[in-house]
Amino acid sequence: GESVGLHLPTLSVQEGDNSIINCAYSNSASDYFIWYKQESGKGPQFIIDIRSNMDKRQGQRVTVLLNKTVKHLSLQIAATQPGDSAVYFCAEKRGGSARQLTFGSGTQLTVLP
Amino acid sequence: AAGVIQSPRHLIKEKRETATLKCYPIPRHDTVYWYQQGPGQDPQFLISFYEKMQSDKGSIPDRFSAQQFSDYHSELNMSSLELGDSALYFCASSPRDRDRQYFGPGTRLTVT
Repeated sequence: GESVGLHLPTLSVQEGDNSIINCAYSNSASDYFIWYKQESGKGPQFIIDIRSNMDKRQGQRVTVLLNKTVKHLSLQIAATQPGDSAVYFCAEKRGGSARQLTFGSGTQLTVLP
Repeated sequence: AAGVIQSPRHLIKEKRETATLKCYPIPRHDTVYWYQQGPGQDPQFLISFYEKMQSDKGSIPDRFSAQQFSDYHSELNMSSLELGDSALYFCASSPRDRDRQYFGPGTRLTVT
């Protein structure tokens, strides 16, 4: 399953399928990007991050792709499991001395049995 | 592994009251960030501290103030609470030379 567009709030996938969550960022000067998973009532949990001098980074079952030309970020989750159900946020750190993160709108991922 | 600790986890206050939220960063993390997350919204940056000095400021109301202490823990002080202040408040920490931020479990503030 794949989310498209800027603000698709939900994505449903079958257990075992691959998931793709998309994110558009706003600032071409941003130099760092990060994905978080947030379960209901809990704090954002780090998944994977990538610097602007890279276009792909892989983790365990997750891959982040960065396309600076169109200011687009995606998170791919392989073999999606029920425990992956959560809201996923992308965030960017704008270049320069400021280090705070600017979050995008989250995507609710639901894994269907 | 040690994580960010926040207290209290839940807080109920009435309008016009004050509240103090505490954050204990991961050991050896010297930078602390505060974020506010309203219902169904993404986290919004409020303020950050490095080595006990304010480093960046976001959309923090004038009614709120924060500080970082010598042991690197931080406190967010909120006065004249309004209904709209009801939200989850997260603290995150990182080492000074790293961008990856680790979030705490949050404090759920309810203003009635």
